[in-house]
Amino acid sequence: QQQVKQSPQSLIVQKGGISIINCAYENTAFDYFPWYQQFPGKGPALLIAIRPDVSEKKEGRFTISFNKSAKQFSLHIMDSQPGDSATYFCAARHAGGTSYGKLTFGQGTILTVHP
Amino acid sequence: NAGVTQTPKFRVLKTGQSMTLLCAQDMNHEYMYWYRQDPGMGLRLIHYSVGEGTTAKGEVPDGYNVSRLKKQNFLLGLESAAPSQTSVYFCASSARTSGEQETQYFGPGTRLLVL
Repeated sequence: QQQVKQSPQSLIVQKGGISIINCAYENTAFDYFPWYQQFPGKGPALLIAIRPDVSEKKEGRFTISFNKSAKQFSLHIMDSQPGDSATYFCAARHAGGTSYGKLTFGQGTILTVHP
Repeated sequence: NAGVTQTPKFRVLKTGQSMTLLCAQDMNHEYMYWYRQDPGMGLRLIHYSVGEGTTAKGEVPDGYNVSRLKKQNFLLGLESAAPSQTSVYFCASSARTSGEQETQYFGPGTRLLVL
């Protein structure tokens, strides 16, 4: 079953605009929510991450907003640049039991930033 | 440090053939993972290992086997390849620590085509 749902599947933004990608999760036994960025032909790389006891985390132009009660979190990319064009994955890390440490990924969002 | 490396980068198999994908990491990580990436489905965990000599099933283990004889290497085997196994395979590794340090580092991927 899909425990992390990501939307939209694809996103086109003009240079300088704001890109927003949303994720929702079902399992409350997640303790860490990373976002990965993947360029064509490359493996995913950690972009930014948040723990559920924090509502927002900002690193440069990238911000995660986290709503624990709604079981939703989102990635905001401010002043989007053509170099941000990539596939973005949200993920959730299992907190305990036999699944401890494993990541469940969303389906991915292909972001295209037009110059 | 090379990080996580994967061999081969690309392979074409005929249905029924077997092959082994090799993953190597030089970060002294305890945990290693094999994922497959398919369009619209994100990354799905095939098998993982929490230490040398141990392996466990992930979300989609059928048709695959793994071995972790050395801490730095994690092998993924396909005994009898099927067209449904056409995919991009990613290996990842992480340290055995709690908190946000447990980032998974990904290799560059192996693109497999089964005819």
